[in-house]
Amino acid sequence: ANQMTQSPSSLSASVGDRVTITCRASQGVRNDLGWYQQKPGKAPKLLIYAASTLQSGVPSRFSGSGSGTDFTLTISSLQPEDFATYYCLQDYDYPFTFGPGTKVDVK
Amino acid sequence: QLQLQESGPGLVKASETLSLTCTVSGGSISSSNYYWGWIRQPPGKGLEWIGSMYYSGSTYYNPSLKNRVTIPVDMSKNQFSLRLSSVTAADTAVYYCARQTSGGRYGIAHPDYWGQGTLVTVSP
Repeated sequence: ANQMTQSPSSLSASVGDRVTITCRASQGVRNDLGWYQQKPGKAPKLLIYAASTLQSGVPSRFSGSGSGTDFTLTISSLQPEDFATYYCLQDYDYPFTFGPGTKVDVK
Repeated sequence: QLQLQESGPGLVKASETLSLTCTVSGGSISSSNYYWGWIRQPPGKGLEWIGSMYYSGSTYYNPSLKNRVTIPVDMSKNQFSLRLSSVTAADTAVYYCARQTSGGRYGIAHPDYWGQGTLVTVSP
């Protein structure tokens, strides 16, 4: 299976900060990479797919980049509702695999 | 507005079969553009893709679950299900059903709509 890693595993930030999370695949996935936001007790919410395409309704402060094995999720100006855990998902090859998550909490 | 709702027992005994159903409303499970799948999340841990199905009957399963999983469909009820046999404590998790778009290397891509999830606990 394609192993996904994320860094950092957690970070502390303040409202207004620029936040960057990275995701790395053990094998290339073209641009078949998505990002999800999950809050406690809730289902994950799709933010970005195809590495850089913003899902409908998602604020433009979220952006994604990368291809092959290295990807980045950026939140340009962190808002109070953005404190959550973020997961990447490769949907290029079976089995689909998620990264271990990055928890963003309040500094 | 598409909605997915998981239902089924919240407690299953070890060695028995876990059975959950996902009821889809606001859209048809027989849509040619979408697949339907299951994802789980053990308490306090990350997400694991279990498998996906297409209304025609094609299925794709995570090899980590070996031969324990099936995902049958009931188009007359606009439902699909999860059957996981020989469960152990390691199968305790929140189980989500989801719609998956088309794309990727094999035609299936990321989940875009998710159910709220249901916790299934495996008891000794």
